Amino acid sequence: GDSVTQMEGPVTLSEEAFLTINCTYTATGYPSLFWYVQYPGEGLQLLLKATKADDKGSNKGFEATYRKETTSFHLEKGSVQVSDSAVYFCALSDREVKLSFGAGTTVTVRA
Amino acid sequence: DVKVTQSSRYLVKRTGEKVFLECVQDMDHENMFWYRQDPGLGLRLIYFSYDVKMKEKGDIPEGYSVSREKKERFSLILESASTNQTSMYLCAISGRTRLGGEQYFGPGTRLTVT
Repeated sequence: GDSVTQMEGPVTLSEEAFLTINCTYTATGYPSLFWYVQYPGEGLQLLLKATKADDKGSNKGFEATYRKETTSFHLEKGSVQVSDSAVYFCALSDREVKLSFGAGTTVTVRA
Repeated sequence: DVKVTQSSRYLVKRTGEKVFLECVQDMDHENMFWYRQDPGLGLRLIYFSYDVKMKEKGDIPEGYSVSREKKERFSLILESASTNQTSMYLCAISGRTRLGGEQYFGPGTRLTVT
């Protein structure tokens, strides 16, 4: 079945550092890929998405590129802020209503 | 803005109690979902519904049931709460035409069963 594997956390960074969170997937078809973010005490929010190979999703300084050849969708941000401290989830939908989520990566940014 | 509301942010119940968690949406979306979130396990789908009175089991339906009598409301029921159901419960919605599309989440209910 479909599955998502993302790097384990927690990840602790200093402000203005570069952030990468790795995400790889297994799917039988051509899934849509998502990154969700969960700030402390809140539900999940969609951060960005990509629906086909080589698409780049971007939002709030975050980027991720859909790489079919490596079945990956790594999340990157060039210069993180304290306000980026959150849990980040990679997810996929393979032409189904349901989403499959990774385990989540906790990111803490220190001033 | 998409609005998904959940009946409680925090809930404490005793073992054996019947527990109702409610989710209400204002977007007229067909699909509604219930997940539980546990550290290190990510989000796991309990049940979802693609129409009024329709439901499908997710990955971990045991110990739970659901009800969808109106399009905007989707209830999760714990018939006899147990301590291993202590968790964060998240409701989500998506539109029928958005196969492969994103879901929108409510703020979550943190349930503690003592």
